[in-house]
Amino acid sequence: RKEVEQDPGPFNVPEGATVAFNCTYSNSASQSFFWYRQDCRKEPKLLMSVYSSGNEDGRFTAQLNRASQYISLLIRDSKLSDSATYLCVVALSGNTPLVFGKGTRLSVIA
Amino acid sequence: ETGVTQSPTHLIKTRGQQVTLRCSSQSGHNTVSWYQQALGQGPQFIFQYYREEENGRGNFPPRFSGLQFPNYSSELNVNALELDDSALYLCASSFLAGDTGELFFGEGSRLTVL
Repeated sequence: RKEVEQDPGPFNVPEGATVAFNCTYSNSASQSFFWYRQDCRKEPKLLMSVYSSGNEDGRFTAQLNRASQYISLLIRDSKLSDSATYLCVVALSGNTPLVFGKGTRLSVIA
Repeated sequence: ETGVTQSPTHLIKTRGQQVTLRCSSQSGHNTVSWYQQALGQGPQFIFQYYREEENGRGNFPPRFSGLQFPNYSSELNVNALELDDSALYLCASSFLAGDTGELFFGEGSRLTVL
C-alpha cells in the first residue's frame, strides 16, 4: 500500500464548479498534513496546511480525519487559474521528510 | 520566487555517466532536501542535509550522494546513470528548527538519460 494515495485524475470541471480531492495516508503516526499545488512544469508550492479542526483559506477548505487517515481539499467557485496538479503531503512531524502523493490534476474549463 | 536556485535547468546524459546538480538555498535556511519527481508521480525524498551532514535518506541507492557547503548550498551527485534516473530533480530549502513543514522548492533540474 502506498504511503499517500490520492484520487486518480484528471478532473475537468467548468468555471464556478465545486471540486473535492480526497487523500488517504497509511502511517497512523503522521502528524503534519499539507496540500501543495504544482503548475505544469513548475515546482510544487505550499497551498495550505491541514489542521485537525479543519481550516479554510478563501475558496479552499481542508479537512483531516485522523481516525480514517483521510484528508480532503474542497475548492469552491473554481477559477481557470486553479488549473494545476494538487499534491497531498504527509509528514511524521514538521521537520521530517515530506511524503507526497502522486497528485491529482485539475483542469478548469471556461 | 522562492529564492532557491538550481542549475542546470535541463541536461541530457547517457547511461553510465555521472551528473552533478547544484542548488543555492533561500537566505536564512540551513537545511536542504532533494527530491526526485518522475513523470506523472509525486516528488520522492532522496536525502536531506543539515549543517553539512546528511540528516535523513530515502529509499535511493548509494550512487545517489550529496554535499552541503558552509553557505548551505548543496550538490546532488548521481553515478552510473540509469534510464530510470530520468526525472525532475527538485531542491528544497527550509529552516530545520521551524515547524511549519513548508518547503521552498527551486524550479528543478530536468535530467534525461538516454
